Amino acid sequence: DAGVTQSPTHLIKTRGQQVTLRCSPKSGHDTVSWYQQALGQGPQFIFQYYEEEERQRGNFPDRFSGHQFPNYSSELNVNALLLGDSALYLCASSWGLAGGYEQYFGPGTRLTVT
Amino acid sequence: EDKVVQSPLSLVVHEGDTVTLNCSYEVTNFRSLLWYKQEKKAPTFLFMLTSSGIEKKSGRLSSILDKKELFSILNITATQTGDSAVYLCAVGAAYSGGGADGLTFGKGTHLIIQP
Repeated sequence: DAGVTQSPTHLIKTRGQQVTLRCSPKSGHDTVSWYQQALGQGPQFIFQYYEEEERQRGNFPDRFSGHQFPNYSSELNVNALLLGDSALYLCASSWGLAGGYEQYFGPGTRLTVT
Repeated sequence: EDKVVQSPLSLVVHEGDTVTLNCSYEVTNFRSLLWYKQEKKAPTFLFMLTSSGIEKKSGRLSSILDKKELFSILNITATQTGDSAVYLCAVGAAYSGGGADGLTFGKGTHLIIQP
């Protein structure tokens, strides 16, 4: 049973560029949440996707956008990258809305903005 | 604004010791408290607590929730070097639109077990 997978594992971008990160949820899961984890901090909630729609959003600007596909996989897009966007980006999957508290995390994508 | 505070932020103990990690929270529409262990990248799920006073156990790890005082503890007995990690506490709230909210995390406790 495959767990949550993310790609790529590492990424280096320049300020002002755009980036797309990808996530495949754990088998049987249909809800995907994205988190940003800066060094030495806990993960911060970016947004959550269910039934291909953004259900809820944390305190992140519109430069952060996402998408969920019919197979439940998801993408996170960040436009106009800033140095402060350098972080570990974690994807978490869960089943349904009521069961969404028990979230399982992928290994993350380490994004470095120079 | 929802808030989760963990203490201590770092802890160094010797193998065989028992440790207690603390997590306090302030959240609107609380539904659950979760503990994760993060070694390299992916936080791995340990426990989810929803009811006060009911201890959850998994091997040498145990956790309990106090919904009246708004805190939880994670105990690790007979610690081993493999327990060295960052332990994250997170709180889930009921979303106004129905269903689950995004998790609010604390900063984590960095636990180091010395041989």
